[in-house]
Amino acid sequence: DAMVIQNPRYQVTQFGKPVTLSCSQTLNHNVMYWYQQKSSQAPKLLFHYYDKDFNNEADTPDNFQSRRPNTSFCFLDIRSPGLGDTAMYLCATDFSSARTGELFFGEGSRLTVL
Amino acid sequence: SQKIEQNSEALNIQEGKTATLTCNYTNYSPAYLQWYRQDPGRGPVFLLLIRENEKEKRKERLKVTFDTTLKQSLFHITASQPADSATYLCALDSNSGYSTLTFGKGTMLLVSP
Repeated sequence: DAMVIQNPRYQVTQFGKPVTLSCSQTLNHNVMYWYQQKSSQAPKLLFHYYDKDFNNEADTPDNFQSRRPNTSFCFLDIRSPGLGDTAMYLCATDFSSARTGELFFGEGSRLTVL
Repeated sequence: SQKIEQNSEALNIQEGKTATLTCNYTNYSPAYLQWYRQDPGRGPVFLLLIRENEKEKRKERLKVTFDTTLKQSLFHITASQPADSATYLCALDSNSGYSTLTFGKGTMLLVSP
């Protein structure tokens, strides 16, 4: 089945130790998003790729980086995680420039920073 | 700044009743609004989209209304079932020039047998 797959589902890391989360999609969507969702909070957009064009949200910390080597894959790199980065990280896709697309989410990667 | 408000308290209802969830927004003129369902520890799942020129949308037991004057959307689940228990998020397009969404915190719905 076409879907959005995130790995790992659960990641525990130490303060300051870099971590990479991955997202792959078989939907052939041209837009990929990364959201951060802390406990009982709204998903917060970090950045998105429109094809190869990277779009960073103004308040996304420099600690967060992303790569999209091809249409199917996108990575979230957290260079020096802090305790406040403990959260669920959600990858989503859509095929849209028409501002009407539903988002297809993966199951998320739950990151715990100790 | 843009703000989306959903009732932070959980909504408890009995099976068979209609659940009504509210999404209010300020400092916004969204072209459309979406509703998602999120189960614990999982990613959100799209339910319905309603555009600014639509008053009401239905899908099976779900109904969404959109009042751009009141800046409010109501989400109804009729004949609710325990399996409907989840958190429901509303999301609006962010007027950023891209098709990005801004989400509310969501309201947890608990349907008891």
